[in-house]
Amino acid sequence: DQQVKQNSPSLSVQEGRISILNCDYTNSMFDYFLWYKKYPAEGPTFLISISSIKDKNEDGRFTVFLNKSAKHLSLHIVPSQPGDSAVYFCAASAYNNNDMRFGAGTRLTVKP
Amino acid sequence: NAGVTQTPKFQVLKTGQSMTLQCAQDMNHNSMYWYRQDPGMGLRLIYYSASEGTTDKGEVPNGYNVSRLNKREFSLRLESAAPSQTSVYFCASTFLLNQPQHFGDGTRLSIL
Repeated sequence: DQQVKQNSPSLSVQEGRISILNCDYTNSMFDYFLWYKKYPAEGPTFLISISSIKDKNEDGRFTVFLNKSAKHLSLHIVPSQPGDSAVYFCAASAYNNNDMRFGAGTRLTVKP
Repeated sequence: NAGVTQTPKFQVLKTGQSMTLQCAQDMNHNSMYWYRQDPGMGLRLIYYSASEGTTDKGEVPNGYNVSRLNKREFSLRLESAAPSQTSVYFCASTFLLNQPQHFGDGTRLSIL
């Protein structure tokens, strides 16, 4: 069962505009959420995280929003840059649990 | 500053052959993980080691064995490779739970 879902396999935006990547989860025990970025032939790299006690976390151009009642989180990138073009994975786990579940990823393309 | 190192980067096996994938981290991390990534499915946890001397099954452990050789090294073994195990394998590590995992660059394994 896929407990973390990214329903958009791809997203294309213009440089300078906002990119919004979405993620839904089904397991109500999840309380730690992360976004990873992956370039071809490299491993995923950590981007930003949020715990369930918050509904927003910002780091520079990247903001993650968490809506626990809807079991939904989103990643906003503002402004988008061509170097942001990559596959973005959403991940979630329960507190103090090693079993992290990943979404299938969204390929973001930022056009100059 | 190597981080997480995986060897080999590529491997082609015949059905029934055995193979050990190696992973080493130089960050003094306590926990280590093995994932597989298949198209359209994101990363799935195969096995993890919460600390030196312990290993546990993840979401998809069948057909694999692991060894936590010491704090730095965590290997994944395929005893009798099957075509369904064709995938990209990622090793990851983290110092504490509820912290982001650091990933290696992956091993691309093809089984004919």
